[in-house]
Amino acid sequence: AQKVTQAQTEISVVEKEDVTLDCVYETRDTTYYLFWYKQPPSGELVFLIRRNSFDEQNEISGRYSWNFQKSTSSFNFTITASQVVDSAVYFCALISNTGNQFYFGTGTSLTVIP
Amino acid sequence: EPEVTQTPSHQVTQMGQEVILRCVPISNHLYFYWYRQILGQKVEFLVSFYNNEISEKSEIFDDQFSVERPDGSNFTLKIRSTKLEDSAMYFCASKTLRGRSNSPLHFGNGTRLTVT
Repeated sequence: AQKVTQAQTEISVVEKEDVTLDCVYETRDTTYYLFWYKQPPSGELVFLIRRNSFDEQNEISGRYSWNFQKSTSSFNFTITASQVVDSAVYFCALISNTGNQFYFGTGTSLTVIP
Repeated sequence: EPEVTQTPSHQVTQMGQEVILRCVPISNHLYFYWYRQILGQKVEFLVSFYNNEISEKSEIFDDQFSVERPDGSNFTLKIRSTKLEDSAMYFCASKTLRGRSNSPLHFGNGTRLTVT
């Protein structure tokens, strides 16, 4: 069975602070893929990043960075120097190589206070 | 950049009525999905569709729900007799090749369904 846990329900930070959103997953598959999506107040789901289970190299994209650790089954997302526009709900998701269905976590609501 | 489009953006209906939610997936995508999100809750899988048939569905997707790809571009979700608990945001999504599980889902902007 696949499962994604985002233990942080809500986080508030002051603008320019760094913030890390946690994601822990469970799967029995050896090959799987992890994703982060952003849902701004307007409601749409925006794809941010995809990671393969066989590639543990961390990734940085501008102010965003992702730390994938298979040993702890975690795929954490860090926003550096947060901005008000980062305020959104962030979802972590998992799909196995043999599967067809994306499993989403319950989301973390991030509020960046100006 | 091509995108998934959904109409309408907001639908209000009375309990017991039928609704059809419409989606136009990205044109070269082959896998289509419906997800729903009850206000403030997680995004839940409803159904996936490939090669003109349902490939997987969840427990939520009971006999009240059906999907159809009536032509080469549209992908619809029908709820036959809506219930109050069907009120949610419904997302259509598509992705490219089957077996390319690493392909991200591209979501539409959603249809907010309100059942009164």
